[in-house]
Amino acid sequence: SQKIEQNSEALNIQEGKTATLTCNYTNYSPAYLQWYRQDPGRGPVFLLLIRENEKEKRKERLKVTFDTTLKQSLFHITASQPADSATYLCALVINAGNMLTFGGGTRLMVKP
Amino acid sequence: SQTIHQWPATLVQPVGSPLSLECTVEGTSNPNLYWYRQAAGRGLQLLFYSVGIGQISSEVPQNLSASRPQDRQFILSSKKLLLSDSGFYLCAWSHNTGELFFGEGSRLTVL
Repeated sequence: SQKIEQNSEALNIQEGKTATLTCNYTNYSPAYLQWYRQDPGRGPVFLLLIRENEKEKRKERLKVTFDTTLKQSLFHITASQPADSATYLCALVINAGNMLTFGGGTRLMVKP
Repeated sequence: SQTIHQWPATLVQPVGSPLSLECTVEGTSNPNLYWYRQAAGRGLQLLFYSVGIGQISSEVPQNLSASRPQDRQFILSSKKLLLSDSGFYLCAWSHNTGELFFGEGSRLTVL
């Protein structure tokens, strides 16, 4: 079955540094992959979508890479700020329908 | 613009009591609708999804059910809650572009 792995341990970084979060998956070839941000007690918010034929996607301080050979996506936040502190979820979309399978998320803590 | 509302935001229910969570979407038509559950510190588990009125697909067998009586209304129900039903329930909608738009969530505590 499809498995999506994100580091369950919190990532603590200093303000201004680049945060890098990892999403690994097995047993599937997704058409595209998405990243979401979730604040405590709130619903996830869509950030970026990257397709299988795209190597990299950028949006402001965010950058996502997608390596279908390694079955891995990296999510980068450059010049991180305390306001970036949240849990970040990756999710895969399967071709058979628009159902997303989510990873467990990684909590990011940016310290001033 | 599109908005999604779900309620109630929080509720505490005794074991064996019924449940009804409601979700409505505004500003779009014929959305795909979803119910997810998130246990504490865990990822999102898809419970139900619907591609149209009266069309419900269940991903996980359990004592919950879902209904879509109108195009933009999605309801999650249970006749008798279990302790294991506690969690954070999220409604979401999408079109065929793939990205999901979530509501604010409903936190259910079953005692």
